[in-house]
Amino acid sequence: GAGVSQSPSNKVTEKGKDVELRCDPISGHTALYWYRQRLGQGLEFLIYFQGNSAPDKSGLPSDRFSAERTGESVSTLTIQRTQQEDSAVYLCASSLKTGSPLHFGNGTRLTVT
Amino acid sequence: GDSVTQMEGPVTLSEEAFLTINCTYTATGYPSLFWYVQYPGEGLQLLLKATKADDKGSNKGFEATYRKETTSFHLEKGSVQVSDSAVYFCALTFGFGNEKLTFGTGTRLTIIP
Repeated sequence: GAGVSQSPSNKVTEKGKDVELRCDPISGHTALYWYRQRLGQGLEFLIYFQGNSAPDKSGLPSDRFSAERTGESVSTLTIQRTQQEDSAVYLCASSLKTGSPLHFGNGTRLTVT
Repeated sequence: GDSVTQMEGPVTLSEEAFLTINCTYTATGYPSLFWYVQYPGEGLQLLLKATKADDKGSNKGFEATYRKETTSFHLEKGSVQVSDSAVYFCALTFGFGNEKLTFGTGTRLTIIP
């Protein structure tokens, strides 16, 4: 596609349930990043991938969060046993290579009730 | 740790007014600095960047100068248009194997005709 695609665009889930968020990067982009933005706060870095390896996963807030990437393609961010504080917009970005400008998707708005 | 502080919004200006959105950073060393913009209904996109002290980034009439002495990267535009209404994010990164972008909280700008 023309840009970074994220799905779903909105997700409402009950506390304690698992959720999976998907990111389709721009074709050919080797670097992929996940960020989240909680209400009234800046974007928090979660993890980035170079190809299918994750050199920096320092931003994952707890072991309930995990992410994987298949080759230089789709990435999924999984949140297990969701909590209300996980409510946020989760943003994915990709770049041609590390150090190149990031292209962001429109995000997934996650609401945990 | 590294951090970015930008002026709180929302900011409302009349068309053709002069715009300044302040951004200061705290970091060990000399990062690259960026302004990203998010137009309504769209993903974040790079507006401009500067990679070393005294560099000026510019794009679409916007400018920002990397000031090492004041650790600042204020965004300016001489005459704003309604189409500039968006949320603006200041960010920094060190790159070279430390690729994560650290963002400010964003400033919502509304331009009224």
